[in-house]
Amino acid sequence: DIQMTQSPSSLSASVGDRVTITCRASQGIRNDLGWYQQKPGKAPQRLIYAASSLQSGVPSRFSGSGSGTEFTLTISSLQPEDFATYYCLQHNSYPRTFGQGTKVEIK
Amino acid sequence: EVQLVESGGGLVQPGGSLRLSCAASGFTFSSYWMTWVRQAPGKGLEWVATIKEDESEKYYVDSVKGRFTISRDNAKNSLYLKMNSLRAEDTAVYYCARQTTVDYWGQGTLVTVSS
Repeated sequence: DIQMTQSPSSLSASVGDRVTITCRASQGIRNDLGWYQQKPGKAPQRLIYAASSLQSGVPSRFSGSGSGTEFTLTISSLQPEDFATYYCLQHNSYPRTFGQGTKVEIK
Repeated sequence: EVQLVESGGGLVQPGGSLRLSCAASGFTFSSYWMTWVRQAPGKGLEWVATIKEDESEKYYVDSVKGRFTISRDNAKNSLYLKMNSLRAEDTAVYYCARQTTVDYWGQGTLVTVSS
């Protein structure tokens, strides 16, 4: 099984900050990775697909990069509505595996 | 607009069974793989199962193999998850999602396994 190691598990940041979250795969997964945002009590929503493509309707301050084993989600200027938990998901092989999540909190 | 609406969750005793349903609309259901994902209270996301458009391929996480069965009815635009021999650790919100790449999600249905 492919393990997805996501870091950090939580972070505190201020509005306007640049935020970076990383997922590392235990083996190469090409660009078969998505990033998701989940707010309390709500279903997750996909932000990024194919590691670096922005989902339709998602603000351009979100971006993804990486290929192979190391991937990054960047929020260029954190907004109040971005405080949430973020997950990565590899869909290169079965079983699909999520990262452990990163909770972004207000500093 | 893609819509996925889960139903069938509830309280069940350990060892019991439950069948979840997911009603799909806003896209050609028969043309897409479909997936179930779950989230235990206060925990992260866990992929559960995925099914191909024609049911010819099905995949499961090890912890549910032999107990859960994913199926679909393309004529009814519906996805199902039959859960047998339920355990306390199966307690979670279960989400229906489109595609193996999980692009759209339903709102989830809560399954609680407790005596």
